[in-house]
Amino acid sequence: DGGITQSPKYLFRKEGQNVTLSCEQNLNHDAMYWYRQDPGQGLRLIYYSQIVNDFQKGDIAEGYSVSREKKESFPLTVTSAQKNPTAFYLCASSINSGTENYGYTFGSGTRLTVV
Amino acid sequence: QKEVEQNSGPLSVPEGAIASLNCTYSDRGSQSFFWYRQYSGKSPELIMFIYSNGDKEDGRFTAQLNKASQYVSLLIRDSQPSDSATYLCAGTGTASKLTFGTGTRLQVTL
Repeated sequence: DGGITQSPKYLFRKEGQNVTLSCEQNLNHDAMYWYRQDPGQGLRLIYYSQIVNDFQKGDIAEGYSVSREKKESFPLTVTSAQKNPTAFYLCASSINSGTENYGYTFGSGTRLTVV
Repeated sequence: QKEVEQNSGPLSVPEGAIASLNCTYSDRGSQSFFWYRQYSGKSPELIMFIYSNGDKEDGRFTAQLNKASQYVSLLIRDSQPSDSATYLCAGTGTASKLTFGTGTRLQVTL
């Protein structure tokens, strides 16, 4: 079955530590996205990529980094520069037709907690 | 200024009633709109999308779009306790990105 897989489901980060969240899709989607969701709040865009080897900052990119070396994969690194990383992280993908938008498919999310 | 606005709720409706969820948007260039349902602790799942003015029906769900008023709504008929969730409205922005509202929490009471 086609889908988008995020791992791990739960992640604990110590102060000053970098951690990487995995996102893999087998939907053959061109575009991929990372969002952060805090309790009771909406989705805030961290980074997005419309094509391999290219990505753009979203609204809250500071303290995060990404790579897009393969179409299927879009890992997110939460660096020590991100001072308040505790949140629910969602990866999504979509067909990038340029003119039409068919919505996103979301992964199951990673819940990151600072300990 | 937020581009997609939703009332955070909670919206409480009795079982079997019609739930009406509303959303307004500020970007007149937005073409398509999406409704996602998100259960507590889970990721959003797409339930409806609409890009033409008027109504679009799918089972118990009806999406309504009024581009002149910049207004999108989702009606849920015969509401069930399993419909209790947060409903996110999203509209297309630039470069295939979606802009999400903060969501409306729906509670269906027995």
